[in-house]
Order: sequence, then structure tokens, then C-alpha cells
Amino acid sequence: EAGVAQSPRYKIIEKRQSVAFWCNPISGHATLYWYQQILGQGPKLLIQFQNNGVVDDSQLPKDRFSAERLKGVDSTLKIQPAKLEDSAVYLCASSLEASYGRYFPSSYNEQFFGPGTRLTVL
Amino acid sequence: GENVEQHPSTLSVQEGDSAVIKCTYSDSASNYFPWYKQELGKRPQLIIDIRSNVGEKKDQRIAVTLNKTAKHFSLHITETQPEDSAVYFCAASRIYNQGGKLIFGQGTELSVKP
Repeated sequence: EAGVAQSPRYKIIEKRQSVAFWCNPISGHATLYWYQQILGQGPKLLIQFQNNGVVDDSQLPKDRFSAERLKGVDSTLKIQPAKLEDSAVYLCASSLEASYGRYFPSSYNEQFFGPGTRLTVL
Repeated sequence: GENVEQHPSTLSVQEGDSAVIKCTYSDSASNYFPWYKQELGKRPQLIIDIRSNVGEKKDQRIAVTLNKTAKHFSLHITETQPEDSAVYFCAASRIYNQGGKLIFGQGTELSVKP
């Protein structure tokens, strides 16, 4: 099956510019995640969608970051304006289903990651 | 807040030796613990996971152990091969309440020398 698609793969911008990333999850996956991975660190969740609703955006810097998943499939993540510290790889992931008080097999929770977008802010 | 500590940050072993990576989590309600392998410039890929109702899980050369009381879990790789060289991340999650939000450790760079 096709994996999680992301574009662009690389982006270089100057600080204070804006940038947008796109993600297409695996077909049929209800849950979509955006992670920020700074060099040398583990991924950090920015926002999680269940279908087209936001489940968790507690770590999203809402003054500059925004994300949407209007039709419950593709998603876009935007940064406006960008800062130097936003330089990172932005990973999109999807899973079949997120468990909310219900039992699912482990396979439902497995998060499949896209190739990421490497953002450099100069 | 929720936190996962991972050690060591780097690990170098000879081919054929075993490698052990350890993680400690802070949220006692965590009940799902996946391990991801990330090769240079590539996406993280799940290699093994364990739920809190199991103490140990094995898949060929890799195994994961979980100690809920101590809130730590470990990845064991036996008979290491050069292709095992990568960065390994542990993570913890409450899959029944927080919808699968993963809290990742800082990563361990494993180098297997031929």
C-alpha cells in the first residue's frame, strides 16, 4: 500500500517569511499527526487530528503555526512568520484509529510516518 | 509534564554483540510503548511495540521488556549487524485516553562496527 506522502521534501526560507507543508495520509487512516523533529532530538507532537477535528494542539505555537484537515484526508501545516528556531524536520504520521476508551489491536495504533519536510530558516 | 528519558545517547558495539537501550517514563498511566528505528535522512519506522499488560515481547533478534513498577522499558538487540546502525527512539503513550499521542525519548545512535 502507498505510504504517507509529504511535500515539499526540502524548504529554505528567510526568517519572517511564511511556509506551508502538505501531507496525504494512508488511505482510510482516521488519525493524522504533525510532529516537529529538531536535529538530535525525538519527534515532538504539534497537532493531532481525528478525521477533520483537532484532538490535541497543546504544543502548537498558535501565534505562528496553524494546521487544518478540512475534508478529513489531506492536511496542511503553516508557519507564519517563521523564526530561526523553527528549523527542523516536520513529520506527518497517520494511524488507522486512535483509541478513545475502546480497545483496538495494536495495529490500529501504529503510526506510519511520512518522509518529512526539512525546513531551514535563515 | 509527560517525559521520556532515553539512555545512552550513543552506543557502539561490535558486529555480533548485543545492544541494550533503556527508557524511563514519567506518566504512570502510559500503557503503550513503541520503538522506532530511524536511518539517516529517512522516516521513523516501527520495529516493535509492547502494551502494559505484557512484560516482554520478542521478534527474532529484537525484544522489549517492560517494568511497570519502575516505569522503565528496554530494547534488546542480539547478534547485531551493520544494518542495525541507526537512531532508535522509544516512546510512551496512553492509547485508551489520549488517542495515541506519543511522547518520544531523545534517541540513541547505535553504531555496529563490522
